[in-house]
Amino acid sequence: KAGVTQTPRYLIKTRGQQVTLSCSPISGHRSVSWYQQTPGQGLQFLFEYFSETQRNKGNFPGRFSGRQFSNSRSEMNVSTLELGDSALYLCASSFWLANTGELFFGEGSRLTVL
Amino acid sequence: SQKIEQNSEALNIQEGKTATLTCNYTNYSPAYLQWYRQDPGRGPVFLLLIRENEKEKRKERLKVTFDTTLKQSLFHITASQPADSATYLCALTGGNSGNTPLVFGKGTRLSVIA
Repeated sequence: KAGVTQTPRYLIKTRGQQVTLSCSPISGHRSVSWYQQTPGQGLQFLFEYFSETQRNKGNFPGRFSGRQFSNSRSEMNVSTLELGDSALYLCASSFWLANTGELFFGEGSRLTVL
Repeated sequence: SQKIEQNSEALNIQEGKTATLTCNYTNYSPAYLQWYRQDPGRGPVFLLLIRENEKEKRKERLKVTFDTTLKQSLFHITASQPADSATYLCALTGGNSGNTPLVFGKGTRLSVIA
């Protein structure tokens, strides 16, 4: 069974630009969660989607948005990038709601904002 | 405010000894607690889940305890090996409501020295 796939793995943007990250969950998984990881803050919850509906949202500004498609694939978008958005963005999938059991993480998308 | 604290950022231990990592939480009533392992540049990998009504859980050389009175979980690796060197993350939800995300501690970086 293929794991969680995130694309792109690495990207470099400049301040003010916008970025879209993609996540393909494990086949059959309906929940996709997104986390931002930085050395200082650790893993910070961004949002969770389940069956195309946003179930939860973390404490991030409105510049961070996401969506989930009918095939459970998910995208997150960050607009008007700031230097502080440089981080590893991790996507995790699970069969049921993310807070009910094990999460399967992708390898992440490493975003650098210059 | 809600807080998850992992006892130290880094822990060095000699090969063959037992490593003990601590996860303390405040203002949570988690239905269960999880432990993940993360290697540099990779996504976290699930290790163990322990429910609030379980005192202890084991998997091979790993043992987790969960004390809801102390609001603490201990994670033990017995007969530690250099390959166990990684960052270990604890994670929990605010409760068994469907609307609380899984939140992570900042992790403890374990180094097992040969």
